[in-house]
Amino acid sequence: DIQMTQSPSSLSASVGDRVTITCRASHSISTFLNWYQQKSGKAPKLLIYAASSLQSGVPSRFSGSGSGTDFTLTISSLQPEDFATYYCQQSYSIPRTFGQGTKVEIK
Amino acid sequence: EVQLVESGGGLVHPGGSLRLSCAASGFTFSDHYMDWVRQAPGKGLEWVGRIRNKANNYITEYAASVKGRFTISRDDSKNSLYLQLNSLKTEDTAVYYCARDGGYSSPFDYLGQGTLVTVSS
Repeated sequence: DIQMTQSPSSLSASVGDRVTITCRASHSISTFLNWYQQKSGKAPKLLIYAASSLQSGVPSRFSGSGSGTDFTLTISSLQPEDFATYYCQQSYSIPRTFGQGTKVEIK
Repeated sequence: EVQLVESGGGLVHPGGSLRLSCAASGFTFSDHYMDWVRQAPGKGLEWVGRIRNKANNYITEYAASVKGRFTISRDDSKNSLYLQLNSLKTEDTAVYYCARDGGYSSPFDYLGQGTLVTVSS
């Protein structure tokens, strides 16, 4: 199975900050990497697919990059509605696996 | 508008069984692979398994943690996805989400609101 490791596990940031979350795969997954946002008590929502493609309707302040084993999710200017938990997930192989999550909290 | 609505969750004793359903609308259900993803209380996301579409022979694939105990099925005539949970363990306690899957190496582009399964004596 491919293990996905996110860092940090949590972070505190202020509105307007630039935020970066990293995700590392235990094996190369090309660009089969997706990012999800989950707000408390809600279902996860797809933000970025194929490492860098923005899902329809997602604000352009979200961006993704990377290939192989190392990936990054960036929020260019954090907004109040962005405080949530973010998960990376590989869709390279079965079983699908997720990172442990990064909780973005208000500073 | 794509909608996925899960139902069937509840409290069950260890060793018991439960059947979850997911009603799909707003897209051509029969074209899509469909998955189940779960989340234990306060924990992260875990993939449970998926069922392919008719064109891909309705093949099912499962996480090792549930293989042999859980069964995924679908009824394309009813736009519905199912998850049969047998031999339940306390560690199966979670919110269960159904998810639309574009197939092959696609992401889960929509997930339902989830249904809570609690396994406890």
